[in-house]
Amino acid sequence: DQQVKQNSPSLSVQEGRISILNCDYTNSMFDYFLWYKKYPAEGPTFLISISSIKDKNEDGRFTVFLNKSAKHLSLHIVPSQPGDSAVYFCAASEGNFNKFYFGSGTKLNVKP
Amino acid sequence: EPEVTQTPSHQVTQMGQEVILRCVPISNHLYFYWYRQILGQKVEFLVSFYNNEISEKSEIFDDQFSVERPDGSNFTLKIRSTKLEDSAMYFCASSADRGKGYTFGSGTRLTVV
Repeated sequence: DQQVKQNSPSLSVQEGRISILNCDYTNSMFDYFLWYKKYPAEGPTFLISISSIKDKNEDGRFTVFLNKSAKHLSLHIVPSQPGDSAVYFCAASEGNFNKFYFGSGTKLNVKP
Repeated sequence: EPEVTQTPSHQVTQMGQEVILRCVPISNHLYFYWYRQILGQKVEFLVSFYNNEISEKSEIFDDQFSVERPDGSNFTLKIRSTKLEDSAMYFCASSADRGKGYTFGSGTRLTVV
């Protein structure tokens, strides 16, 4: 199942800088997207969502951008903090929200 | 902040044994889900549950799997005869409405030996 792809397994960023995490999808029927972060030994924690009627959603330091024509979304974290170090997953749903398809995750390391 | 609670945090079982993984969803949530993550792989959808019945299930969720909401608070996943390949982290999630407030528990690590 490769419907949602996160091609960068890891990303390292200096504290205070911008972190950009990318996600691509293949199913044009996806119309609702989530970003989660996950610490070791914990469940995924919801960060931010976006529906396909928008191209941007912002919540504090987190902004998600959606480019429907490119089937691409990205999560921007500004400024990055060491506590942001975690694995970030994007997930997509076809709108019935019964199930989400997850990407494989990107491990973000924010260096002090 | 409301939480989804899963017990136990780690379960070791022998191949062929039955296991029940337990979850207490957030109290006013109406939609319930199970996902799993095999080590090194993606989080995968197993099943969704609403109004006391399965809404959708994946191809992973075969006859060996079942879910139940035995009372007003618990949501359980049963694996009848565990296989080695069932070893994974199992995450329960619940939501107040479709796509809204989708909250995961911290997971149960199932190890089948």
